Amino acid sequence: GDSVTQTEGQVALSEEDFLTIHCNYSASGYPALFWYVQYPGEGPQFLFRASRDKEKGSSRGFEATYDKGTTSFHLRKASVQESDSAVYYCALGSSGSWQLIFGSGTQLTVMP
Amino acid sequence: GGIITQTPKFLIGQEGQKLTLKCQQNFNHDTMYWYRQDSGKGLRLIYYSITENDLQKGDLSEGYDASREKKSSFSLTVTSAQKNEMAVFLCASSMDVSNERLFFGHGTKLSVL
Repeated sequence: GDSVTQTEGQVALSEEDFLTIHCNYSASGYPALFWYVQYPGEGPQFLFRASRDKEKGSSRGFEATYDKGTTSFHLRKASVQESDSAVYYCALGSSGSWQLIFGSGTQLTVMP
Repeated sequence: GGIITQTPKFLIGQEGQKLTLKCQQNFNHDTMYWYRQDSGKGLRLIYYSITENDLQKGDLSEGYDASREKKSSFSLTVTSAQKNEMAVFLCASSMDVSNERLFFGHGTKLSVL
């Protein structure tokens, strides 16, 4: 079945560091890919999506590019802030089942 | 804008107990979801409802029932709570089943003694 893999369970950075959170997927065709962010005590929030090869999604300084060749949708931000501390989830829209398949999440902690 | 309200915020139960979690949305969205969130395992779909009175099983439906009697509400029942179970249950809605932008509530945290 379709799946999403996030390799980093936790990432610790200092303010103004560059962020990369890796996301790889396994699915047939062209599934839509998503990033969601979850702040403490809240539910996940939609960050952005992409639905075709080489399409870039972006929001709030975060961005990711759909790469069908490497089956990846890595999240990047040039300069993180303490307020970016949260859990980040990569997800894909599973074809034919109307389900969002989520990765295991990556806890980002940014120190001042 | 709209909001998703989950009640209760915290739920403590006994082993074997039947427990019900409630969710209300005022987005006027057609589709609603229940996800379970466990540390290190991400979000796993329990049930979803495409529209009022519809129910569809997700990958984690065993041990749960769900009910969608009104468009605005979706409840989840844990049929028999498991000892030492601890998880957060998240309710979400989307405009329709083909719209993958989900809006989530803040969750119900379940602890079973």
